[in-house]
Formats: sequence, structure tokens, C-alpha cells
Amino acid sequence: ETGVTQSPTHLIKTRGQQVTLRCSSQSGHNTVSWYQQALGQGPQFIFQYYREEENGRGNFPPRFSGLQFPNYSSELNVNALELDDSALYLCASRNGQETYGYTFGSGTRLTVV
Amino acid sequence: AQRVTQPEKLLSVFKGAPVELKCNYSYSGSPELFWYVQYSRQRLQLLLRHISRESIKGFTADLNKGETSFHLKKPFAQEEDSAMYYCALTSVTGGGNKLTFGTGTQLKVEL
Repeated sequence: ETGVTQSPTHLIKTRGQQVTLRCSSQSGHNTVSWYQQALGQGPQFIFQYYREEENGRGNFPPRFSGLQFPNYSSELNVNALELDDSALYLCASRNGQETYGYTFGSGTRLTVV
Repeated sequence: AQRVTQPEKLLSVFKGAPVELKCNYSYSGSPELFWYVQYSRQRLQLLLRHISRESIKGFTADLNKGETSFHLKKPFAQEEDSAMYYCALTSVTGGGNKLTFGTGTQLKVEL
């Protein structure tokens, strides 16, 4: 399967809960990044994984964590959800040998109430 | 710290008119700049990067290090150019690469 797919497409959670978002990267792409896009803003870098290890992190607290698996899938976990976590979460993957050419997923819209 | 600024939230032009979407950046190193586009109900996709110096869909962008700008230009706007455009800069962080995006400019091409 080609392309980047994310699930679920929409999600509603209550403040304080935990959430797991999933991403299936494009075949052969060993680097995956996660971005948070709040309404009216550009995507903001959360973290990046390369060969199942985190190798870059943006200005997000530790309650944002992730995993990358050998089958090119990955997860974004957020604990103790806050209202401000409401946003579109984007997954992007690429071949680690390149410095460009990210393929983005359609995103998961998370609403925290 | 790196930053990308897109001063216009919305740019409205008539079909056939020239288009210029502004992008300014701040970065202490040697930047690599990109333009990403998001058409209605589609995912974010790469439009062009400054290193390739190519024209995609009639769009070009020149990196001006003196003015720290990377404006996106097209001489004649088409209706299908209506979309959200994001300027982005890449930087290396802890061995990885991250994209820093601007807030985006919504381009609306009117008939």
C-alpha cells in the first residue's frame, strides 16, 4: 500500500484522558514525523522517529510520546489531555536518506472537551 | 531559533493576474526552504524546494538570503491554484530534520 494513512480521522476525548493516534507510513519510509496543527496555524513539529528511535523533538511536554514499529507504522500517545490539545495531528514519512520529500497523511482531528 | 513568517492570511486575485505569496524566515544556519500546498479536501503536499530551482505548475520561488525571503510567484493565476500555501524551513535537530512552517496564506483566485 502506498501513501500515508492515519486513524482515526476524528476523535473526541475528555480532558484528563489518554489518546493514541496511529499512522501507517509509506512503504520504505524509515523516518516518521508528527505535527500538531491548531486552527489557523501552520503545522508544529512534535517529534521524529528514525529506525524506531526518537531522533528529534519539538517544544512539546513529555506527555506527548511516540513509538515507531518495524512495519513502518507509528503511534502518537498523549496523556492527561488538555483542552489546548484540540488540533489536527499530522503524520509525515520519508526515506531517511533524503532531506525533503515528506509524504503527509490526511490527519486525525482531535477534540478535547 | 528558526521562524517562518507569512504576513498575509488571505490573498485574493483575479484569474490571469500575477500572484506573489510572501515568505520571510529567520535562521542562523544555512536554510533549506520549501513551499507546501493544500488543496481543498486534500492532504498537504510539497510544491517546490529552493534547491531544485524548478518551476512547478507555473510557480517559482527564489531564495534571497540578503532579504531572508522565499516568495512564491506565478505570472498568471489559474482557478485551480486556489489553495492554502505554507512556506517551510528545514533544520537539523538532534540528528533528525524537522520542518518549521509559517501560518499559511489562503490563495483565492476569482473569475
